[in-house]
Amino acid sequence: DGGITQSPKYLFRKEGQNVTLSCEQNLNHDAMYWYRQDPGQGLRLIYYSQIVNDFQKGDIAEGYSVSREKKESFPLTVTSAQKNPTAFYLCASSIGSGPLYEQYFGPGTRLTVT
Amino acid sequence: DAKTTQPPSMDCAEGRAANLPCNHSTISGNEYVYWYRQIHSQGPQYIIHGLKNNETNEMASLIITEDRKSSTLILPHATLRDTAVYYCIPNSGYALNFGKGTSLLVTP
Repeated sequence: DGGITQSPKYLFRKEGQNVTLSCEQNLNHDAMYWYRQDPGQGLRLIYYSQIVNDFQKGDIAEGYSVSREKKESFPLTVTSAQKNPTAFYLCASSIGSGPLYEQYFGPGTRLTVT
Repeated sequence: DAKTTQPPSMDCAEGRAANLPCNHSTISGNEYVYWYRQIHSQGPQYIIHGLKNNETNEMASLIITEDRKSSTLILPHATLRDTAVYYCIPNSGYALNFGKGTSLLVTP
C-alpha cells in the first residue's frame, strides 16, 4: 500500500528530553512537510523540504530540527528548547512543492511532554 | 493568504447532498482554493482543489464563483462517514493554513 506512515501514534516524554518523530512515505513524493496542531486549532507549518538534502523553516520552527537524507524519510526532532511541545504532529507529502500540488497527510503522532 | 469565512457547523441528512460554503473575498489571483477534511484525531484528508473552473472528482464537486470570492464544496450523497470538520484553504505557497472550518454532522 502506498502512503505516509508516522510512528509512534502516541509518545510520552519527560521535560528536557529531545524526541524524534518518524515520517516515512512510499509515494515517491519530492516534497515533505511537518505541521503541528493544538487542541481546537488549525495546523501550523514547522518545516518543509522540497527535495532531498534541502529544507526550509516554516512559521514555528523554533525548538525543532529536521533532516532529509533520503527521499522517503523526513524525521522531526523536538528539542528541549521547544517551550510547549505537547501537541498533535502531522507529516505530509506532495509530488511537487507549491500550490499546484495537493498534500497528503499521515495519521499523526500525539506527543505529550510532562 | 486570503482570509476565509465558513459556518461553524452544519447538519445534513444521510443520502442528501451536503453543500458547504466558503467566503474568500480577499483571494488573490494566484491562490488555489483547497478543501480538506479532518475526522477527530486523524490526519487531514485532501478532497479537491481548483483555481477558476469548477472541479469534480470521486469524492466531491467544487463550485467557484466567477469573481472567485466564494466557493461551495458539494458532497452529492452524504454518508455517516462524511461527518468531519471541513476546511476551505486558499493557497499560493507551501503552507496550508487551516482555519476553524465547518463541523459537518451527517445524521441518519
